[in-house]
Amino acid sequence: QQQVKQSPQSLIVQKGGISIINCAYENTAFDYFPWYQQFPGKGPALLIAIRPDVSEKKEGRFTISFNKSAKQFSLHIMDSQPGDSATYFCAARDNYGQNFVFGPGTRLSVLP
Amino acid sequence: DAGVTQSPTHLIKTRGQQVTLRCSPKSGHDTVSWYQQALGQGPQFIFQYYEEEERQRGNFPDRFSGHQFPNYSSELNVNALLLGDSALYLCASSPVLTSTDTQYFGPGTRLTVL
Repeated sequence: QQQVKQSPQSLIVQKGGISIINCAYENTAFDYFPWYQQFPGKGPALLIAIRPDVSEKKEGRFTISFNKSAKQFSLHIMDSQPGDSATYFCAARDNYGQNFVFGPGTRLSVLP
Repeated sequence: DAGVTQSPTHLIKTRGQQVTLRCSPKSGHDTVSWYQQALGQGPQFIFQYYEEEERQRGNFPDRFSGHQFPNYSSELNVNALLLGDSALYLCASSPVLTSTDTQYFGPGTRLTVL
């Protein structure tokens, strides 16, 4: 029940295209859903996050869509750029423990 | 403003040995969490420290222990190393225990167990 599922495992997109990564969870105690971006040799960096009382959040080219009833959320990267090539992790935090459960990651490659 | 720093960057140990990893949180942060990230996987929560006490613990054996110092820096100790302990160990800090929204990760320590 603590697991966060993420798909696809890897994604190849042409420059200017839309990248879509999906996540699903079971634990209804999760209250905060961030996405992290990780480049090789670096720690994860917070990209964008959403709470379950909001269905969509947009920051620049990055949008999170959240479906509370389906317990699913997704990351959309518009106008994908080669510099977006990285591994993306969705995560969820339970409202009691304040610790995070991460998905297994999606390796995104944006071709020039 | 320095972010989260970790040392050492890389470490090679042999099975059965013990290792200590260190973390300095971002300025103004008093809560430190440790994560293990195996190759090709997402980070897994090990434990969290606040006010020099372990507050939360993930599903890791007692071989994994930690400490937080009065200046909020933290150490992760792993005893009786196993090959499966090879991973990137990440430290994350946040301003207060109840506000991990703004959790910042360090670059990690790459541990290789031979």
